[in-house]
Amino acid sequence: QSALTQPPSVSGSPGQSVTISCTGTSRDVGSYNRVSWYQQPPGTAPKLMIYEVSNRPSGVPDRFSGSKSGNTASLTISGLQAEDEADYYCSSYTSSSTYVVFGGGTKLTVL
Amino acid sequence: QLQLQESGPGLVKPSETLSLSCTVSGGSISNSRYFWGWIRQPPGKGLEWMGSMSYSGSAYYNPSLKSRVTISVDTSKNQFSLKLSSVTAADTAVYSCATTPRGYWYFDLWGRGTLVTVSS
Repeated sequence: QSALTQPPSVSGSPGQSVTISCTGTSRDVGSYNRVSWYQQPPGTAPKLMIYEVSNRPSGVPDRFSGSKSGNTASLTISGLQAEDEADYYCSSYTSSSTYVVFGGGTKLTVL
Repeated sequence: QLQLQESGPGLVKPSETLSLSCTVSGGSISNSRYFWGWIRQPPGKGLEWMGSMSYSGSAYYNPSLKSRVTISVDTSKNQFSLKLSSVTAADTAVYSCATTPRGYWYFDLWGRGTLVTVSS
């Protein structure tokens, strides 16, 4: 069981928006702006999409945005494209001894 | 452009030590801006951070693995390495090396990963 809770799957049609949630606790998501999101298409390495809750690395389209409210962080993908189909993982710094925790991953299907 | 490439045996016997290397190209492992780490993903499962180390030797480990994990940096080869002792079938996973900017806790560059199977 992963430390951060994500929905197993989400889906949307091209052009629509989808939001993936990532729920933690006051020891991680709720207390630190150290949430990051990763995209992993099948058979490839994860790619950083969002760091520090809402910052995009260079080269990541502005269709990807991140936010946080309380113990829940969210990744929103607007203007959904077929190439966005992938697994998405959230991660957070935690004050527990593990330092870093991941979510279980969410499979995004573009219909 | 910094790049990472994992290498090592794809098959390890139970109770033995898993050893992997990550070669850094396009930059120096002595770059104080980064921590160098390992993350694994068992087949069909999620990601697990194993540990990270700076070139100067500061290290952080996942306590669930701490007694079995060692990360080291070899500046002469521009590589860093992972050793995981006393492996079992539960350690079968894709192992990826990754960088973390110093002072942060996200992974901004990943290697492609290498599958290690633990089996006799």
